[in-house]
Amino acid sequence: AQTVTQSQPEMSVQEAETVTLSCTYDTSESDYYLFWYKQPPSRQMILVIRQEAYKQQNATENRFSVNFQKAAKSFSLKISDSQLGDAAMYFCAYRSRMGSSNTGKLIFGQGTTLQVKP
Amino acid sequence: EPEVTQTPSHQVTQMGQEVILRCVPISNHLYFYWYRQILGQKVEFLVSFYNNEISEKSEIFDDQFSVERPDGSNFTLKIRSTKLEDSAMYFCASMADGAGRKLFFGSGTQLSVL
Repeated sequence: AQTVTQSQPEMSVQEAETVTLSCTYDTSESDYYLFWYKQPPSRQMILVIRQEAYKQQNATENRFSVNFQKAAKSFSLKISDSQLGDAAMYFCAYRSRMGSSNTGKLIFGQGTTLQVKP
Repeated sequence: EPEVTQTPSHQVTQMGQEVILRCVPISNHLYFYWYRQILGQKVEFLVSFYNNEISEKSEIFDDQFSVERPDGSNFTLKIRSTKLEDSAMYFCASMADGAGRKLFFGSGTQLSVL
């Protein structure tokens, strides 16, 4: 079974600085998807960024980028120019490629709470 | 952007009572999911639903839980006899078929069992 591990329960960053959140996962599959979700105090789940395992190029979305190391099974999120609105819980998630036995469910890590200091 | 709608946003119930959590997925979506999150913990998969049947369920999803898509638009989660440990935020999610397969989450129903 696949597992996702986020080893940093809490992180803090100064406004306008850069922070990296770590995520590792375990799988025997070769084709899958990885995600970072943001959960603000409202508890809404907001997709931040997505990476397809077959793509070598790291995904980027404005100030958010990932460092995807497939061999190391590592998927870290870098937030540049941190803003107060980035303060939230961040979850790393794994999804198998859809198929007859794969239903599209997400497997989440434990989450990292990010504090942004003004 | 289209939205997944969940009602109610908060539900308070007495232990042993039945509750039904309601979700309206995005209209052209084919895959439906329920997740739950106990306060301060990670989000956990409960069940997936496709083609009018459960396609996968987790160990959490025991006989006390059931799902239904009664009218082609609503997607419900029923807990027959609630326990204190069922207190959690329950998220509904849906996904279209085809390339991309972006999962859309609803805003959640906070269930409090007293």
